[in-house]
Amino acid sequence: DQQVKQNSPSLSVQEGRISILNCDYTNSMFDYFLWYKKYPAEGPTFLISISSIKDKNEDGRFTVFLNKSAKHLSLHIVPSQPGDSAVYFCAVNPNYGGSQGNLIFGKGTKLSVKP
Amino acid sequence: DTEVTQTPKHLVMGMTNKKSLKCEQHMGHRAMYWYKQKAKKPPELMFVYSYEKLSINESVPSRFSPECPNSSLLNLHLHALQPEDSALYLCASSQDQIVLFFGSGTQLSVL
Repeated sequence: DQQVKQNSPSLSVQEGRISILNCDYTNSMFDYFLWYKKYPAEGPTFLISISSIKDKNEDGRFTVFLNKSAKHLSLHIVPSQPGDSAVYFCAVNPNYGGSQGNLIFGKGTKLSVKP
Repeated sequence: DTEVTQTPKHLVMGMTNKKSLKCEQHMGHRAMYWYKQKAKKPPELMFVYSYEKLSINESVPSRFSPECPNSSLLNLHLHALQPEDSALYLCASSQDQIVLFFGSGTQLSVL
């Protein structure tokens, strides 16, 4: 059974508007979450992360929100730019305290930002 | 510098061939990883090396053989692969074993 779910395979947004990518997880013990961006035929690029002691983390145009009670996190991109068009993966590090980096990824959401 | 370098970028091999994938990082990271990604699927962990020792093997078939010659290098030796092993093979490194930095991958096709 999937432990990390990204239920929207794709999202299309107009340039300059907000992009909101969603992710749900099943295990309330998970306590560290990451977002990666991936272009075709390239490796994932780390974007932003959040630990469960926070509910928000911001880095430039990227903000991640964590709702622990709902086991839900979201990535907001404001303003969206055509270069943001890529597949975005939500990932969980399931062993944060004794982590070995065995990340669990969601299936990804393909974001298209139209000029 | 967050660069992880993988070679080759593309590889085509027959089922009887032996080949190796190479990965290098010069960030002084203590852990290195092999992940496999099939088309339209998320990356899946294969192996973890921590301080040059194999610490996780996710039940990967023995036709995949990892090697960590030193703290900067990670190899994946391939032998007698099957067509279903065709995928993007990703190397990653990490200092804290929390945030991973990935290379661009090797796109492998097994004929």
